[in-house]
Amino acid sequence: QKEVEQNSGPLSVPEGAIASLNCTYSDRGSQSFFWYRQYSGKSPELIMSIYSNGDKEDGRFTAQLNKASQYVSLLIRDSQPSDSATYLCAVNYGNNRLAFGKGNQVVVIP
Amino acid sequence: DGGITQSPKYLFRKEGQNVTLSCEQNLNHDAMYWYRQDPGQGLRLIYYSQIVNDFQKGDIAEGYSVSREKKESFPLTVTSAQKNPTAFYLCASSIDRAVNEQFFGPGTRLTVL
Repeated sequence: QKEVEQNSGPLSVPEGAIASLNCTYSDRGSQSFFWYRQYSGKSPELIMSIYSNGDKEDGRFTAQLNKASQYVSLLIRDSQPSDSATYLCAVNYGNNRLAFGKGNQVVVIP
Repeated sequence: DGGITQSPKYLFRKEGQNVTLSCEQNLNHDAMYWYRQDPGQGLRLIYYSQIVNDFQKGDIAEGYSVSREKKESFPLTVTSAQKNPTAFYLCASSIDRAVNEQFFGPGTRLTVL
């Protein structure tokens, strides 16, 4: 089974600071990577997709991909209380199947 | 509005009963998926379908069954053979097998009494 690791515990950041989340994956052949945001009791919402090495920016979110090191990260700039949620890393491992990490909880402190 | 709907939002089941969870999409997506989520766990794939009248087992298919008779619909039956069915069930869809982005419905929370 393909593994996606999100090992950091809950992350508390002050409002306006940068939140940094990391994810590593086991399948070297994976080509597509995603970040989902999940509010408590709700379903996951796709916030970022990244397919090539390097950075991809979308508003206050930046995804970073390094296929050689098999990690993908998400930066949230100017963190807002509304960013308080669990962030799920997902990796495509073929046949359009996704493997998900367990998620990282982010708490933005006003 | 285009989207994915799941019903019911909450479902209570007695042990030994089969229940069916509904998933409908009007996005004209070819591929549909069922996941379950347990507290503190990542999403785990139950079944997926990339085209009408075809579906494949995911990582935890035992105790579940599906059908895909229409493009818009992908119902999931939780059978009495599923030993620990209490979970949050999520349906997702993607445009086709070549497009990786999956979009989720609101989920069904199943509790076995």
